[in-house]
Amino acid sequence: EAAVTQSPRNKVAVTGGKVTLSCNQTNNHNNMYWYRQDTGHGLRLIHYSYGAGSTEKGDIPDGYKASRPSQENFSLILELATPSQTSVYFCASGDSRVANERLFFGHGTKLSVL
Amino acid sequence: QQQVRQSPQSLTVWEGETAILNCSYEDSTFNYFPWYQQFPGEGPALLISISSVSDKKEDGRFTIFFNKREKKLSLHITDSQPGDSATYFCAASPNYNVLYFGSGTKLTVEP
Repeated sequence: EAAVTQSPRNKVAVTGGKVTLSCNQTNNHNNMYWYRQDTGHGLRLIHYSYGAGSTEKGDIPDGYKASRPSQENFSLILELATPSQTSVYFCASGDSRVANERLFFGHGTKLSVL
Repeated sequence: QQQVRQSPQSLTVWEGETAILNCSYEDSTFNYFPWYQQFPGEGPALLISISSVSDKKEDGRFTIFFNKREKKLSLHITDSQPGDSATYFCAASPNYNVLYFGSGTKLTVEP
């Protein structure tokens, strides 16, 4: 079974602070994604990556940066956290070589910005 | 702007009934439509999917009906079980990679 591990599971940050959310996958998938989940909005795409060294903007990239230093790791960085970024963040991986790509999600990181 | 819309927001059915979850989309370039199931405290997981060349996809008790002309699809869960209680997300993609998710339908199956 494909594995995507997120850390931390829970995070409390202060407004204006820097937050880094980490994601590791052992699926050897090329594609990785960061989504945030909010009530009434479902899952919204923040950033994604097609492979090591690449990052692309999703639908709501403002206030977020992403880093893909290796095939396995994909980080989401909030340089100056704001209360509006309080949410549950999900990382996912997928195999671009497969038609109808299936995404494998981590368990999520609950972020609270006070 | 919501690319994918779902209704109802929440749905309660009795065990054994058929649950019908609806989804619609705007962009005619969308050609792949997966449904993801999410249990509390977990990430979403792929349940069933359909491509725009088909109008129906069945997998056990789960069936997707797809109407390309009206840009609508629905997920039917027959003989609903309490274990089916979860949030269901409809998603759509124009290129089999980037997915746009709807806001989800929370299904509760009462025993």
